[in-house]
Amino acid sequence: AQTVTQSQPEMSVQEAETVTLSCTYDTSESDYYLFWYKQPPSRQMILVIRQEAYKQQNATENRFSVNFQKAAKSFSLKISDSQLGDAAMYFCAYRGGGADGLTFGKGTHLIIQP
Amino acid sequence: DGGITQSPKYLFRKEGQNVTLSCEQNLNHDAMYWYRQDPGQGLRLIYYSQIVNDFQKGDIAEGYSVSREKKESFPLTVTSAQKNPTAFYLCASSIGYRGNQPQHFGDGTRLSIL
Repeated sequence: AQTVTQSQPEMSVQEAETVTLSCTYDTSESDYYLFWYKQPPSRQMILVIRQEAYKQQNATENRFSVNFQKAAKSFSLKISDSQLGDAAMYFCAYRGGGADGLTFGKGTHLIIQP
Repeated sequence: DGGITQSPKYLFRKEGQNVTLSCEQNLNHDAMYWYRQDPGQGLRLIYYSQIVNDFQKGDIAEGYSVSREKKESFPLTVTSAQKNPTAFYLCASSIGYRGNQPQHFGDGTRLSIL
């Protein structure tokens, strides 16, 4: 079974600075996909960014980018120019190439200091 | 606007009672999913369905049941066999069941025991 580990229960960053959230995963599959979801206090799950394992290029979405290290099974999220609205729980998630659901890490609580 | 509607937002269950959580989507998505979230935890997969009249058990299906009689609806029943049902329940859907297709989430239902 696949596992996803987020080793940072909580992170704090000053507004406008850059923060990196860590995620590692374990799998024996070669075809898989990785996601970062944001869960603000409203509890809604919002997709932030996704990465296909077969792509070497790291995904970017505006201020959000990932550092995908396939050999190390690492998938970190970098948030540049942090904003107050970025404060939330961030979950790393894995999905294999098949039809089942996502496997989530336990999340990192991101605090933005004004 | 297209989206996923979960109801009710809050639900209370008495001992020995079955309760049903509703999930409706108007996104014309084929695949639907149910997740459970406990405090300080990531989401865990309960059941998923790729097409109408078909569904599969996830990681924690014991004490739960589902049906998929219509494409847009995927209700979850929490049975009396589920001894620890207090949690936040999230429904999701994706356009298909391939791994690269992101899942979109509803706003959730919080279930508590009376």
